[in-house]
Amino acid sequence: EDKVVQSPLSLVVHEGDTVTLNCSYEVTNFRSLLWYKQEKKAPTFLFMLTSSGIEKKSGRLSSILDKKELFSILNITATQTGDSAIYLCAVTKSNTGNQFYFGTGTSLTVIP
Amino acid sequence: GAGVSQSPRYKVAKRGQDVALRCDPISGHVSLFWYQQALGQGPEFLTYFQNEAQLDKSGLPSDRFFAERPEGSVSTLKIQRTQQEDSAVYLCASSRGTGNTEAFFGQGTRLTVV
Repeated sequence: EDKVVQSPLSLVVHEGDTVTLNCSYEVTNFRSLLWYKQEKKAPTFLFMLTSSGIEKKSGRLSSILDKKELFSILNITATQTGDSAIYLCAVTKSNTGNQFYFGTGTSLTVIP
Repeated sequence: GAGVSQSPRYKVAKRGQDVALRCDPISGHVSLFWYQQALGQGPEFLTYFQNEAQLDKSGLPSDRFFAERPEGSVSTLKIQRTQQEDSAVYLCASSRGTGNTEAFFGQGTRLTVV
């Protein structure tokens, strides 16, 4: 059975802290891994990773994929209160169109 | 449109009532997905359209759930004889192609069955 597992489930940090969110997966026919940020209701796209070892960066956020160990991490440096959200990891498979298999998410709260 | 638009934003239905949820994808996006997100959970796949063709409906939880996209643009998710366990946020997403591209999500419809 395909699995996408995120950890921790929730996290509370102070502004300025650095956080690392984890996503491990066990799926057949893996194609890509995506990170989304969900505030209120609509998940917004952060990164798509298909190759191992290539870091993707966007401002204070970065992510990397390890296809050998089957996990990805999302790093957020110098956290701000606006980073408070649920961070969702999703995997796509090469034999099922473009549908996403989501983890349960990590709820991040950044306190001033 | 500029983004994926869903309506209504909130829907309260009495148990046994039928509901219809609408999704307007980004113009020109070929792929359209419906997801169900229960409180505290990640979105769960319901169904996938490529243009007007429903290529995968394996995630629909029962035959009370029905989705259509007759002209390959707007999609409607219909739930018949709603039950309390149907209460969730229903998210629609669209993507440009059929390959490995990111999907853009709407704000969702929060359905509460009382």
